[in-house]
Amino acid sequence: DQQVKQNSPSLSVQEGRISILNCDYTNSMFDYFLWYKKYPAEGPTFLISISSIKDKNEDGRFTVFLNKSAKHLSLHIVPSQPGDSAVYFCAASFYYGGSQGNLIFGKGTKLSVKP
Amino acid sequence: DTAVSQTPKYLVTQMGNDKSIKCEQNLGHDTMYWYKQDSKKFLKIMFSYNNKELIINETVPNRFSPKSPDKAHLNLHINSLELGDSAVYFCASSQSTRGYPSPLHFGNGTRLTVT
Repeated sequence: DQQVKQNSPSLSVQEGRISILNCDYTNSMFDYFLWYKKYPAEGPTFLISISSIKDKNEDGRFTVFLNKSAKHLSLHIVPSQPGDSAVYFCAASFYYGGSQGNLIFGKGTKLSVKP
Repeated sequence: DTAVSQTPKYLVTQMGNDKSIKCEQNLGHDTMYWYKQDSKKFLKIMFSYNNKELIINETVPNRFSPKSPDKAHLNLHINSLELGDSAVYFCASSQSTRGYPSPLHFGNGTRLTVT
């Protein structure tokens, strides 16, 4: 049972335009969300996160939006660059108050940014 | 000066063999993980160690045995390999905090192929 879903396996965008990657989750107890980026033959690298007390977090060209009522988050990349071409994973977790939690990952969306 | 390094990068072996994957992190983190990315591309946690103590052990066959000789190392030993064990195995580390999980730092993965 997928608790974190990325329903678009791939996305193609023109350089300079906005890339929007979507993620849905089913467990309403999740309250912390992360995006990871992965290049071929490398491990995922952390990109940006958001806690449930916020609905938006921005870091340079990357913005994550959280809609708790819809159990939906999205990652916006503006402007998109060819170097952004990678697989993007959405992950969710819980507030745990002192011990390490477990990240639940989606299947990823492969973003291709065309020059 | 790789932060999380795992060896080997590729591992091809026959069914029934025993193999090990090694992982080392030089970030000074106190928590290390093994994740498995299967053919469906899901990244799923297998084990988590905090200060050499096992804290997460998901439903993994007991043919898989993690060993943490110190905080900087977490090795994965697999006995009696099966075809279904073929996957990419990622090691990761993080620093435990009170509250939300700190981002994971992943190694570049070990692609295990069982023939």
